[in-house]
Amino acid sequence: NAGVTQTPKFQVLKTGQSMTLQCAQDMNHEYMSWYRQDPGMGLRLIHYSVGAGITDQGEVPNGYNVSRSTTEDFPLRLLSAAPSQTSVYFCASSYAPGSRGGYGYTFGSGTRLTVV
Amino acid sequence: TQLLKQSPQFLSIQEGENLTVYCNSSSVFSSLQWYRQEPGEGPVLLVTVVTGGEVKKLKRLTFQFGDARKDSSLHITAAQPGDTGLYLCAGVQVGSEKLVFGKGTKLTVNP
Repeated sequence: NAGVTQTPKFQVLKTGQSMTLQCAQDMNHEYMSWYRQDPGMGLRLIHYSVGAGITDQGEVPNGYNVSRSTTEDFPLRLLSAAPSQTSVYFCASSYAPGSRGGYGYTFGSGTRLTVV
Repeated sequence: TQLLKQSPQFLSIQEGENLTVYCNSSSVFSSLQWYRQEPGEGPVLLVTVVTGGEVKKLKRLTFQFGDARKDSSLHITAAQPGDTGLYLCAGVQVGSEKLVFGKGTKLTVNP
């Protein structure tokens, strides 16, 4: 049981480049989310999805796009990378809150992105 | 505006001491969760609390959800160096689908 798999683990981009961070889960979780973690800022929600075909914005969505074509996959696209997007990105998944007693999220190991 | 305020932000104690970390909000939550994160890794769920006044114990860790479901606390008894890490509270507001996090408490337990 792999849990939540994120690729790549490390990435360096030049300003203006685009890329996709991959996230896959094998637990049949309905909910999936993307967070970024910056020093002193905690984890901030970028986008989330409550099921295949349904996505919504979080606290810091600008510069990022998502799609959820399957239950398993939730890729995060950086449209035109900027130095302000240098961060550690975490993907997480969960059963629907309250559906099974308020289960928490399972997190991937993160993607460390540097934009130069 | 930070929806969930954690305190203290940093905590450095000696092995064997007790400590409490607080997570406060003016909003009501359908659930509050506590995670622990070690350097270079993703957060790992410790506990979820969903009922006002609920108390859960995990070995030397005790978690409490406030009666009004607006706050939570994490108490560690007889801390050990292995407890060192970043402790994060997170919650889902009533009527929301989003899990939002506090900024975390960085705990260091010195031998």
